[in-house]
Amino acid sequence: NFMLTQPHSVSESPGKTVTISCTRSSGSIVSNYVQWYQQRPGSAPTIVIYEDSQRPSGVPDRFSGSIDSSSNSASLTISGLRTEDEADYHCQSYDSSYHWVFGGGTKLTVL
Amino acid sequence: QVQVQQWGAGLLKPSETLSLNCAVYGGSFSGFYWSWIRQPPGKGLEWIGEINHSGSDKFTPSLESRVSMSADSSNNQFSLKLTSMTAADTAVYYCARLYCTSSSCYHLWGHGTLVTVSS
Repeated sequence: NFMLTQPHSVSESPGKTVTISCTRSSGSIVSNYVQWYQQRPGSAPTIVIYEDSQRPSGVPDRFSGSIDSSSNSASLTISGLRTEDEADYHCQSYDSSYHWVFGGGTKLTVL
Repeated sequence: QVQVQQWGAGLLKPSETLSLNCAVYGGSFSGFYWSWIRQPPGKGLEWIGEINHSGSDKFTPSLESRVSMSADSSNNQFSLKLTSMTAADTAVYYCARLYCTSSSCYHLWGHGTLVTVSS
């Protein structure tokens, strides 16, 4: 099986752009779609990106996702940061048995 | 819009069995997979397993020997049992619907239940 590794925390100022990485330990990142969830304090996660780069309806276009095969990683980019974006962000993918795998989560601070 | 409502005991003693239930409202129960996912305090998410309306299930290997799930299509409910609980199983437990497009899937989450294991 594989692991997904995320930075423990990132921080950036309002209005700026931040990128959160999610690196797959083995196997190719392009083999299985990556999802990203936002989890505000005390709340359940909600989807912000699915299928590597697709936004569900209602998610602002400030949120974007991408895949980089050279670094075997997925990235979530948030532009025009707002204080309401402060949350934990979790990446997710699945293995060959269609078992779901989560990254450890990244705490985003908007200061 | 499909919603899930979960309930179950929030405080257990070591060696007891966790039992959680999740009811589905406002949409179809059949034709979907229903998941359980947990999150220890201050830590990341861990997928426990999933089940569909006909009882077809799969579990994460690390918990497979202790976990069982069931589905009740007549009442639009599904449940989780986890035996031999220890302090390491203390977590918020979420039930979630697996929503799938034509090419991919993602989870839509319930509100979660904090389960604490303590003597």
